Amino acid sequence: SQQGEEDPQALSIQEGENATMNCSYKTSINNLQWYRQNSGRGLVHLILIRSNEREKHSGRLRVTLDTSKKSSSLLITASRAADTASYFCATAETGNQFYFGTGTSLTVIP
Amino acid sequence: EADIYQTPRYLVIGTGKKITLECSQTMGHDKMYWYQQDPGMELHLIHYSYGVNSTEKGDLSSESTVSRIRTEHFPLTLESARPSHTSQYLCASRGDRGWGADGYTFGSGTRLTVV
Repeated sequence: SQQGEEDPQALSIQEGENATMNCSYKTSINNLQWYRQNSGRGLVHLILIRSNEREKHSGRLRVTLDTSKKSSSLLITASRAADTASYFCATAETGNQFYFGTGTSLTVIP
Repeated sequence: EADIYQTPRYLVIGTGKKITLECSQTMGHDKMYWYQQDPGMELHLIHYSYGVNSTEKGDLSSESTVSRIRTEHFPLTLESARPSHTSQYLCASRGDRGWGADGYTFGSGTRLTVV
């Protein structure tokens, strides 16, 4: 399968703590993206990191990419209850399709 | 405001009925996609289109069909719904500023239940 895998499958933390999610993939990529999905809704694009980048920041989000290990991590700092959602990584390999991982379900406890 | 719209949000329908899930976007995107999402969250690409009169099947075999007569409209049709079609269906579109430069914009999804 070309789809990535997120780890852990589920994560529960206290408000104010940092949350880290990991994504592993199998083939070479052009870029990797992270998406967020609130329960019963569509996915929202959070951040894109290109294969020649190692780290990228956007507000409280920090994404790293290690192409040698075929892995990426998403760090959410100072988490809030509103960050409760599922988070997916998606990789763009060849063509115009993105392959989504299996998702990490994050619960932030107030 | 540029956006992507899916209707209906929820649909409960009997076995054997024909249904069409609507998807429209106001961003002028050429690329549009339909994903099926399992209860376990995994997304599977079932159809995609790179422009008007262009449609392709995705990785997951699906009994649905799609059409792309207008850039903004990408409906998905099930000729005869079955309980195995019960799922969440997500429509997405993407701009094309360069290979892989744009992320997807997703609709809110249609939750289909076939009884």
